[in-house]
Amino acid sequence: GENVEQHPSTLSVQEGDSAVIKCTYSDSASNYFPWYKQELGKGPQLIIDIRSNVGEKKDQRIAVTLNKTAKHFSLHITETQPEDSAVYFCAATLNNAGNMLTFGGGTRLMVKP
Amino acid sequence: NAGVTQTPKFQVLKTGQSMTLQCAQDMNHNSMYWYRQDPGMGLRLIYYSASEGTTDKGEVPNGYNVSRLNKREFSLRLESAAPSQTSVYFCASRESFYSNQPQHFGDGTRLSIL
Repeated sequence: GENVEQHPSTLSVQEGDSAVIKCTYSDSASNYFPWYKQELGKGPQLIIDIRSNVGEKKDQRIAVTLNKTAKHFSLHITETQPEDSAVYFCAATLNNAGNMLTFGGGTRLMVKP
Repeated sequence: NAGVTQTPKFQVLKTGQSMTLQCAQDMNHNSMYWYRQDPGMGLRLIYYSASEGTTDKGEVPNGYNVSRLNKREFSLRLESAAPSQTSVYFCASRESFYSNQPQHFGDGTRLSIL
């Protein structure tokens, strides 16, 4: 099965700085990589996703990059704001029956004002 | 827009008690999922329902049962709660079991077993 490793487990940045979270996956057949943001007391919310046929995707201050050869993908947040503080999860899914998500262990991002 | 609704939000049980966690979605999605979230371990799949009338085991099904009551509702039951089942439980849904589309999550049920 798929295995997803996520680093770092905690990340503290100053407001306005950039934050980068990295994930690696084990199964080269994985082809869909969503990122979720989880605020305190809430469920995970999709913030961006990328499919294996593209190398990068941007949405305002958020971008995701995918390196299929190295089997890793990263979340980049620029110009961080205090409201970006949350736990972020990466996930990977195989294009097989069910397209089950395998999640990384999460990164707690703290943006200091 | 309600999306995925879970009840209750919090629950405390004693070891050996039973409990049903409720989940309902209003997005007309076909597939539904139950996860548990433990510190540092991300989300792990307990059970899923590919479509109304079907259920299957996920990664950590022991100690749980599920019922897909209709297209909207998918419940999770703990028959005899154990302290190891203390966790946050999330329900999710997706438009189609066979599509590589995002899953939508509820806000969770925080369950403590004493």
